[in-house]
Amino acid sequence: NAGVTQTPKFQVLKTGQSMTLQCAQDMNHEYMSWYRQDPGMGLRLIHYSVGAGITDQGEVPNGYNVSRSTTEDFPLRLLSAAPSQTSVYFCASSYDSNQPQHFGDGTRLSIL
Amino acid sequence: AQKVTQAQTEISVVEKEDVTLDCVYETRDTTYYLFWYKQPPSGELVFLIRRNSFDEQNEISGRYSWNFQKSTSSFNFTITASQVVDSAVYFCALRNFGNEKLTFGTGTRLTIIP
Repeated sequence: NAGVTQTPKFQVLKTGQSMTLQCAQDMNHEYMSWYRQDPGMGLRLIHYSVGAGITDQGEVPNGYNVSRSTTEDFPLRLLSAAPSQTSVYFCASSYDSNQPQHFGDGTRLSIL
Repeated sequence: AQKVTQAQTEISVVEKEDVTLDCVYETRDTTYYLFWYKQPPSGELVFLIRRNSFDEQNEISGRYSWNFQKSTSSFNFTITASQVVDSAVYFCALRNFGNEKLTFGTGTRLTIIP
């Protein structure tokens, strides 16, 4: 049982490049979300989805896009990377928004 | 609006001491959920407990216990007889019922000194 799988684990980008962080879960969870973790700031919600075809913005959505074409996958896209997006990104899923979330292992992203 | 404050940025205690991690929350809603997560040095996030606002009973799980007090808007976490394996960053989080967004505190880094 893989749980929540994030790829890649590490990535270095140059300013202005684009990339997609992948997130997949095999628990048939409806609720999925993306967070970024920065020193001293805890985890902040970027975007979330309550089911396939439905997404919404979290606390810090600027510079990021998401889509949810299937229940299993919830990719996070950086359209034009900026140094301020250097962070550790976590994807999470749960049966619904009131249940405890299962987190992936994170993606450490550096923007030069 | 919802907010979680973990005023203790870092705590260090000697092994076998008891330690309490504070969590204070703000919300206008009467129905909400509170969570604690652990992030060990390896970086993953591990769920510890969920409590809903209707249940003010304290909970104990082995060496871990949680004290939920609505009167002071607090949901504190105590580790009894701490061990080195308890060294981690601990996060408190809040979700208002019907609101899809989970709000985390800034975390408390706990170091257990052998």
